Amino acid sequence: KNQVEQSPQSLIILEGKNCTLQCNYTVSPFSNLRWYKQDTGRGPVSLTIMTFSENTKSNGRYTATLDADTKQSSLHITASQLSDSASYICVVSGESWGKLQFGAGTQVVVTP
Amino acid sequence: IAGITQAPTSQILAAGRRMTLRCTQDMRHNAMYWYRQDLGLGLRLIHYSNTAGTTGKGEVPDGYSVSRANTDDFPLTLASAVPSQTSVYFCASSPAGAKHNEQFFGPGTRLTVL
Repeated sequence: KNQVEQSPQSLIILEGKNCTLQCNYTVSPFSNLRWYKQDTGRGPVSLTIMTFSENTKSNGRYTATLDADTKQSSLHITASQLSDSASYICVVSGESWGKLQFGAGTQVVVTP
Repeated sequence: IAGITQAPTSQILAAGRRMTLRCTQDMRHNAMYWYRQDLGLGLRLIHYSNTAGTTGKGEVPDGYSVSRANTDDFPLTLASAVPSQTSVYFCASSPAGAKHNEQFFGPGTRLTVL
């Protein structure tokens, strides 16, 4: 069973609207949680990295939150743009030597 | 600044053939990684290298081998390709171990094994 579960699998939103993606994890012990953006046909690109002591971090119109007690994270996209169409991947770092656990991603499509 | 380059971009390969996917980084990162990405699954680690001269097995190493003769290059070899190795392969690097350091990914190689 994947230790990082993302929801929804996909969503379609209108340009200019906001949306929130969810990530639940069971990885333990926990070191940090990352969100990546992956455009079609490209490699993932880091958006945010949060340690257990951080509960929010922003990168432009992207804001990630973390609740280490409930093992949940969210990624909020504000005022979506067509260029936000991509897969968003939640990644959790747990084991001491640095193995990362990747979620399957949420596919976001922004329509005009 | 190129970052990480991978070659080829895509490849169609007959089952049983040998294939090497190339990965080069110019950031002088110590750690490098190979992942495969399959539809509906998260990226899965195949092999990694914490520093030149050392390699380790990831989550799905069977059928793959790697070498790390220098800091910049980290080739992935499929000795005898099978259809289940059809996937998109991503090379990544980080300044040191991935636990605390951001990973940088290459553009990927799309491999089809027939």
